[in-house]
This record gives sequence, structure tokens and C-alpha cells, in this order.
Amino acid sequence: AQSVTQPDIHITVSEGASLELRCNYSYGATPYLFWYVQSPGQGLQLLLKYFSGDTLVQGIKGFEAEFKRSQSSFNLRKPSVHWSDAAEYFCAVGEAYGGSQGNLIFGKGTKLSVKP
Amino acid sequence: GAGVSQSPSNKVTEKGKDVELRCDPISGHTALYWYRQSLGQGLEFLIYFQGNSAPDKSGLPSDRFSAERTGGSVSTLTIQRTQQEDSAVYLCASSLAGRGGYEQYFGPGTRLTVT
Repeated sequence: AQSVTQPDIHITVSEGASLELRCNYSYGATPYLFWYVQSPGQGLQLLLKYFSGDTLVQGIKGFEAEFKRSQSSFNLRKPSVHWSDAAEYFCAVGEAYGGSQGNLIFGKGTKLSVKP
Repeated sequence: GAGVSQSPSNKVTEKGKDVELRCDPISGHTALYWYRQSLGQGLEFLIYFQGNSAPDKSGLPSDRFSAERTGGSVSTLTIQRTQQEDSAVYLCASSLAGRGGYEQYFGPGTRLTVT
């Protein structure tokens, strides 16, 4: 069965420092991978996605992620964190079959705190 | 353009009552999903509609939960005889069908509190 693991429940970084959020997945075929961000009281916003091709994908707000098949990982990175990045981040895996699309399987999320 | 909308934003109900949660997907999106977000459980898939196909109900936690989608657009999630463990945020998402249109766009959610 598909699964997604985000090993870090809570991370605190200083503003301006670099950030890496870890995500590991379990999936039998080539997965479709996503990172979403959720600010308090808000819905989920898509940061970036990987479908195929270049394994380093760029997203919004200066985020990027790298798909590493050998490690079953899709870690999210940002070179310099801003206070407004404080939120909860979710990694998700999905599949597409035929002309339809399945549901997403989400990790438990990583809460990011940013200290001044 | 308009995103996914959900109503109500908050709902407080007494244990044992029925509730209906509404989702308006993005116009033209043929796929619609319901998820539940609760403390300790993260985001759980509930049900998925794709066009006129039979819905995928594999994530519904019990037969008290049901959903319908009328005219391929608006969807209603119904929870009968609510229990305290149903308290959660219910999120709706929609997406385009076909390759390259897999992104799911989420609504702001309905926070359900069962007292």
C-alpha cells in the first residue's frame, strides 16, 4: 500500500536560514509527488509537484524539491526562510490510471516555526 | 478565477444529529474529492467522484457517511447520527481529468464540532 512518511513533526529554524523538510514514500510504480502548505485556519495550497522528467522541481515562494528514486524521497528545500513561511507542510503521493485520477495519500505533516 | 468553496465554514452540532457539508468545485473540474483532517490522524481520504463514474467510497469510515454529487458539480457530504469522533475539518478538493491536470485544488474546509 502507498504511504508517506514525514519524519519530523516540528522544526524550528531561524529567519534567513536554509530549510529542508524530509519526505519518504512507499509506492510500487513511479509516483506523482506533491508538497502542500497549510497556514493556520486555511486550506491547502500547492507548492510544487513532480510528475516526470527533471528530478529537481521548482515551486512557488522560492521552494524546490528533489525526487530521488533510489532513496524514495522527495525532500522540500528553501535556501532562506522568511517569517511568513511558518506553517504546516504536507507531502503527498498520488497515482493516475487510465483517464482518471486517484486520491492523494498524505504524510502527517511537518510544522515549521521560524524564529527572528 | 474562483477557487473551491465550502459551506458552512464552521458547524457545531449535537451528538446524534445529522449534518450536511457542501462543496462547490472549480468550474470545469471533473474530479472531486473529500478529505478529513483531524488531530492525530492527519489528512484522510474519504470519497472521490470522477465525471459520471461510480464514486470511489473506499475511504468512508462508516455507513453513517455518504456523499453525492449533483450534475457533475456541487457535492454534499452527509454525516448521519454524528459522534464526537466525527469532529474534524472536512476538506474538499477538485481537479481536471487527464494527464497534466492532476493537481488538486483545496477549499478552505468546514470545521465540524460535535458536542
